[in-house]
Amino acid sequence: AQTVTQSQPEMSVQEAETVTLSCTYDTSESDYYLFWYKQPPSRQMILVIRQEAYKQQNATENRFSVNFQKAAKSFSLKISDSQLGDAAMYFCACLISNFGNEKLTFGTGTRLTIIP
Amino acid sequence: ETGVTQTPRHLVMGMTNKKSLKCEQHLGHNAMYWYKQSAKKPLELMFVYSLEERVENNSVPSRFSPECPNSSHLFLHLHTLQPEDSALYLCASSSSYRAPFDSSYEQYFGPGTRLTVT
Repeated sequence: AQTVTQSQPEMSVQEAETVTLSCTYDTSESDYYLFWYKQPPSRQMILVIRQEAYKQQNATENRFSVNFQKAAKSFSLKISDSQLGDAAMYFCACLISNFGNEKLTFGTGTRLTIIP
Repeated sequence: ETGVTQTPRHLVMGMTNKKSLKCEQHLGHNAMYWYKQSAKKPLELMFVYSLEERVENNSVPSRFSPECPNSSHLFLHLHTLQPEDSALYLCASSSSYRAPFDSSYEQYFGPGTRLTVT
């Protein structure tokens, strides 16, 4: 079974500053994918960034980047130049895909507050 | 009415009861999902439906029985539940069942049904 742990229930950051959200995971699979999702008050679940485990290069999407440490099973999200619209719940997730059976496991989430 | 709606918003049921949760989406999507969100536990993807066919069942106990009569409606039938099944049950929809795994798609969530099993 795989697990995803987010040890920070809440985080806050000053607008325009940088914040890092932590995530660790555990899986016995060698082939998996990692995601960060954003859930704003509107309750949409937006996929922010995706990382394939076989890729060594850290994924980047505009102001969002990850620090993927495969050996340490760590997958943190860095948000640069924080904006008020970044305020949301952030979920880390791990997907394993095994012969067409896919298992997606989420962390408990981190609530990010942006201070104007 | 727009977006994703869920009824009832709150439900209290005994372990021997049978009840159903209803979800309706007005977004023209063809994929719908049931999630379970327990207090202090990770969000769990329970069922995925695409074009009214179930494409994913993440090892959910048989006391939860989904039904998707058409692409706009999704039900979760509940029977002989346990107290540990108390949680917020979220419905979501998307234009593709791949939404949880593919950044090309977004999921839209309903407000949820707060279920308490006594």
